[in-house]
Amino acid sequence: DTGVSQDPRHKITKRGQNVTFRCDPISEHNRLYWYRQTLGQGPEFLTYFQNEAQLEKSRLLSDRFSAERPKGSFSTLEIQRTEQGDSAMYLCASSFPGLLNTEAFFGQGTRLTVV
Amino acid sequence: AQKVTQAQTEISVVEKEDVTLDCVYETRDTTYYLFWYKQPPSGELVFLIRRNSFDEQNEISGRYSWNFQKSTSSFNFTITASQVVDSAVYFCALSLYSGGGADGLTFGKGTHLIIQP
Repeated sequence: DTGVSQDPRHKITKRGQNVTFRCDPISEHNRLYWYRQTLGQGPEFLTYFQNEAQLEKSRLLSDRFSAERPKGSFSTLEIQRTEQGDSAMYLCASSFPGLLNTEAFFGQGTRLTVV
Repeated sequence: AQKVTQAQTEISVVEKEDVTLDCVYETRDTTYYLFWYKQPPSGELVFLIRRNSFDEQNEISGRYSWNFQKSTSSFNFTITASQVVDSAVYFCALSLYSGGGADGLTFGKGTHLIIQP
């Protein structure tokens, strides 16, 4: 499968715990994005990487949220001290710039439930 | 800042009817990209179309067609002869970059399309 892969697909955690999600983009895509989608809403942009550089992170929801892409390939999104309001679908997307200039391809998401 | 409005929260039609999903956008930039994505119950967003602001040609792809009108800031999506498999949530989105870029994609709230057999 050459699409965007996210793991896990579902995560249930207790309030106050830390969680980490992984995203593997399409292999030749150097741009990677994280979005959050709550029930009945469209996805909301969180952060953006070009290769290993995080070029936009001001839209991360709070300082409890952080993302990394250490080698410019896969990325992780961590939420510390989870709250019930963090319950949502977390989506990852990737794209390729330049002449091909592709649109963003999305993964199936990680659904987080905080109890 | 960009904004996308999808005023239709839910549409229900009987199979084989034509249906149009509305999208109105706001941006101060002259160069931008508009998108439609489909989200089936599995959750993955499936890309349908990308249109840049300099190309106002309407596009048809099988049963799908898109009407882009800069004069009214609208990018509407029509499904002809709808099928049950078209049932999904459809999102319209806007970006200053073709893939999302530094500002990502700005999505509308989506229209839940229900096609009844």
